[in-house]
Order: sequence, then structure tokens, then C-alpha cells
Amino acid sequence: EAGVAQSPRYKIIEKRQSVAFWCNPISGHATLYWYQQILGQGPKLLIQFQNNGVVDDSQLPKDRFSAERLKGVDSTLKIQPAKLEDSAVYLCASSFSEDSGYTFGSGTRLTVV
Amino acid sequence: KQEVTQIPAALSVPEGENLVLNCSFTDSAIYNLQWFRQDPGKGLTSLLLIQSSQREQTSGRLNASLDKSSGRSTLYIAASQPGDSATYLCAVFRPGNTPLVFGKGTRLSVIA
Repeated sequence: EAGVAQSPRYKIIEKRQSVAFWCNPISGHATLYWYQQILGQGPKLLIQFQNNGVVDDSQLPKDRFSAERLKGVDSTLKIQPAKLEDSAVYLCASSFSEDSGYTFGSGTRLTVV
Repeated sequence: KQEVTQIPAALSVPEGENLVLNCSFTDSAIYNLQWFRQDPGKGLTSLLLIQSSQREQTSGRLNASLDKSSGRSTLYIAASQPGDSATYLCAVFRPGNTPLVFGKGTRLSVIA
């Protein structure tokens, strides 16, 4: 089966600019997650979707971050305006069920200068 | 709140050695545990998934065990190779398709 697709792979922007990331999960995976991984740390959850509904966005900095999942398939994560501390790898993951585990995409490395 | 700790943070071994990576978690009411590998600048590759009814899983030279009562998991790598050099991450999740909670990882270097 095809994996989780993410784009772009890399992005460099200046602070206060906006940026968007895209994720296409594995077909049939109802649950989709966005994680932020700062260098040297484990990934931390930003938002969880079940189909096209938000299950958990308690750790999403809503003043600057937003996310949506179109028709319960693709998802986009946006940052506006970006800050220096947003420099990180943004990972998208999807799962079919809790017994099937999670599959991650290759991530987007964001550098804010 | 679930916390996951991985020890050691970094490990360097000569090629051919057997090694053990440790993962501990504070809330034993987990459902499943998953080990991942991450190469520099890349995403996460799933290595092993241990479901709640299992105590261990094996794939090739890798063996992972889970002891929920003590809040521990170990990843055993046999006959290490330079290609095993990467960061290994442990993650746990509770029932109900809940998010993974990760440790900070162990950075492994296997020296030829």
C-alpha cells in the first residue's frame, strides 16, 4: 500500500511569514495526526482528526496554527505568522485502528529565519 | 499524564555487538506500544508494534518486549551493523485510537 505522503519536504521562511503543509494519509485510514518534532525531542501532538472532525487540538497554538481535513482525506496545517521557535519537523501520521499501529510520512522540515 | 523516558539518550557501539535500548512509561494503562526508527532529517519508520495482549514481537534481528506491570519495554538489536545507526523512538498509546506519546529517543551509532 502507498504510504503517508507529505509535501513539501523542506521549507525556509522568514519570521512573520505564513506557510502551509499538506498530508495525504493511507487510503482508508480514518484517523490522522499532525506532530511537531523539535530537534533532539520526541514528536509532540498538535492535532488529531477522526474522518473530517477534530478529536483533540488542545496542544495546537490556535493563535497562529490552523488545520483542516478536507472530506476526511487530505489535510493541511498552516502557520501564520511564523515565529523562530516554530522551526521543527512537522510529521503527519495516520492509522486504521488502534490495533494496526501508526504510519508516518517523511515529514516537512521547516526553518524560520 | 503519560510520560515516556528512554535510556540511554545516546549509545555508541562497535559493529557486531548485541545491544538493548530501554523505554519506561509512567501510566501502565497503555494499550499498545510501538518502536520507530528515525534517520537524520527523515520521518519515522515503524519497527515493531506490541499489542496489549502480547509480551514481545520479533522482526529479523530486532526483538521488543513489553512489561506493562513494571512500565517497561526493551528493544534488543542483535549483531549490530553500521546501517542500524539512527535514532530509535518508543511510543505508547491508550485504548480508543488515542495519540502516541513519545520518548525523546536513543541516538545509536554503530562503528565499523
